[in-house]
Amino acid sequence: SQTIHQWPATLVQPVGSPLSLECTVEGTSNPNLYWYRQAAGRGLQLLFYSIGIDQISSEVPQNLSASRPQDRQFILSSKKLLLSDSGFYLCAWSNEQDRGLGYGYTFGSGTRLTVV
Amino acid sequence: AQSVTQPDIHITVSEGASLELRCNYSYGATPYLFWYVQSPGQGLQLLLKYFSGDTLVQGIKGFEAEFKRSQSSFNLRKPSVHWSDAAEYFCAVGASSGTYKYIFGTGTRLKVLA
Repeated sequence: SQTIHQWPATLVQPVGSPLSLECTVEGTSNPNLYWYRQAAGRGLQLLFYSIGIDQISSEVPQNLSASRPQDRQFILSSKKLLLSDSGFYLCAWSNEQDRGLGYGYTFGSGTRLTVV
Repeated sequence: AQSVTQPDIHITVSEGASLELRCNYSYGATPYLFWYVQSPGQGLQLLLKYFSGDTLVQGIKGFEAEFKRSQSSFNLRKPSVHWSDAAEYFCAVGASSGTYKYIFGTGTRLKVLA
């Protein structure tokens, strides 16, 4: 069966420090991968998605970036964190054949990032 | 463009009472609709989804949802709420073919009174 792993679970970082959040999927190949952010009391904001290695789309211009070094690995990074980067970050995957047509996402358990 | 509206930010019900969470969508064609649940500090779990066919969809944990095309709605229901149902609930719609994305509502936070 497919599983998704996301770490770390919590992270406290000072302003201006770098960030690296990692997400890996097991039990499937060529998944579509997604990074979402959930600010306190707000909905889900899509940050990046990837339909393959070296195919990453950015939804929101900001000081975050994403990379997909391997088929089932998706990394969210920042060179210098801002206070506004605090939030709950969720990784998700969907079937490679899914083009928004109904397979749905499977989410990781999330990373709580607090920038101080 | 596709959109999803969840009109209720917060809902409070007593344990054992019935529940209905509202979801309205905007989409030009037949939508693919989802309900997810998020417990505090956790990721989102799929409750149910609608592709086509029977407009009443059964999901996990005793939830069901009804697709009403005429009202552009996909409301989530449960006949008797349990204290463990306290969570945040998100409605989502499949975006246009080829975009690989889903559009989420802003969520409804459910509080259950003992």
